[in-house]
Amino acid sequence: QKEVEQDPGPLSVPEGAIVSLNCTYSNSAFQYFMWYRQYSRKGPELLMYTYSSGNKEDGRFTAQVDKSSKYISLFIRDSQPSDSATYLCAMSAKDAGGTSYGKLTFGQGTILTVHP
Amino acid sequence: GAVVSQHPSRVICKSGTSVKIECRSLDFQATTMFWYRQFPKQSLMLMATSNEGSKATYEQGVEKDKFLINHASLTLSTLTVTSAHPEDSSFYICSARIQPLQPQHFGDGTRLSIL
Repeated sequence: QKEVEQDPGPLSVPEGAIVSLNCTYSNSAFQYFMWYRQYSRKGPELLMYTYSSGNKEDGRFTAQVDKSSKYISLFIRDSQPSDSATYLCAMSAKDAGGTSYGKLTFGQGTILTVHP
Repeated sequence: GAVVSQHPSRVICKSGTSVKIECRSLDFQATTMFWYRQFPKQSLMLMATSNEGSKATYEQGVEKDKFLINHASLTLSTLTVTSAHPEDSSFYICSARIQPLQPQHFGDGTRLSIL
């Protein structure tokens, strides 16, 4: 079983739709949760990050973390064709010293297409 | 802020050639940088963690002598693929973070093709 599971999609939605992207994880030590967007042939771009359970909103994006269920989500409101990309969840635990977080564990990415 | 620049963006070379890829943090200092490899339609695989002024930490299964990492300054890390072969063809991406408890920011990657 992978530490992080993410539905690869592909997901196709009409412009203006609300998009829900999800990841589940098995490692209860994970404390840092991130969402990245990756366009074709580009590096991942940080969208959201959070260290705690609950919701965090930034413009059209809302990141949700439920540590008790080991489940994280990213919601995109009023989706646009420019949101078409691969979305990667990533998470990490603190290192042994507790002064930094360790290596990232990525989901496999969800391919999203928003059509006009 | 938090811009990571990677160069070159694309390399095509013959088998047996050594290729150097540069990763720079443009507007911050990074004591730690990371190197990843990504195959088509797959997620990122961490290859190594690069620490300024010390040896890199390689992930299990990554050949240290094949993938040489140098982190000589707080803004530059390099990855050299030595004696590259077609199976080394891939998308290589670096990342850096401003502080240890901050997220990683990624460069735009280098697409390496070995003929």
